[in-house]
Amino acid sequence: SQQGEEDPQALSIQEGENATMNCSYKTSINNLQWYRQNSGRGLVHLILIRSNEREKHSGRLRVTLDTSKKSSSLLITASRAADTASYFCATAAMNTGFQKLVFGTGTRLLVSP
Amino acid sequence: KAGVTQTPRYLIKTRGQQVTLSCSPISGHRSVSWYQQTPGQGLQFLFEYFSETQRNKGNFPGRFSGRQFSNSRSEMNVSTLELGDSALYLCASSLAPGNAQGHTLWATTNGYTFGSGTRLTVV
Repeated sequence: SQQGEEDPQALSIQEGENATMNCSYKTSINNLQWYRQNSGRGLVHLILIRSNEREKHSGRLRVTLDTSKKSSSLLITASRAADTASYFCATAAMNTGFQKLVFGTGTRLLVSP
Repeated sequence: KAGVTQTPRYLIKTRGQQVTLSCSPISGHRSVSWYQQTPGQGLQFLFEYFSETQRNKGNFPGRFSGRQFSNSRSEMNVSTLELGDSALYLCASSLAPGNAQGHTLWATTNGYTFGSGTRLTVV
């Protein structure tokens, strides 16, 4: 079963606006990652934030992590039509050395010109 | 450098058949993971290989199996296909430096690189 729940399930905005997606998870994590997927293709890694970090930036992306609330948010500023995609959060569990990501349900973002 | 290569891109199989999917990771990446994506269940972890050893396995029946070769290329096999196996199968590779026990040193991991996937349709 999936660990992460994302909110909203779908988001429709205009170019230039900001898009915020939220992710909640259930267990302690080592890190949380965000991925983008275009039209059922492969996932593209966007950003990784570790459990001891609270905020991270990469270009137009801003990710926050609140481990006390077991939640994260992804902010895309000044969105473009090319940002239209599904966005997934994925968590890497704490206390395990093994590689396993648990994905959220995803947010479908539509950016209209 | 070349990305993660998955072959074939599309596949149509009949119930009861078996299928083998291939994944070539980024050069130098020793960890290969497999995920299944369906509209109903989303992205589900299948298994992960590191240095030819399966280190972790998801909650899938024994019909799903895999292996990794000495050059880090990986294959996954699904036997006795069912309609519900129709999905996008994604492979991901990671640098995943590990300690002597093969455990991932997360502090130096920077995420996964995914292939474009194999779209399997079972009819």
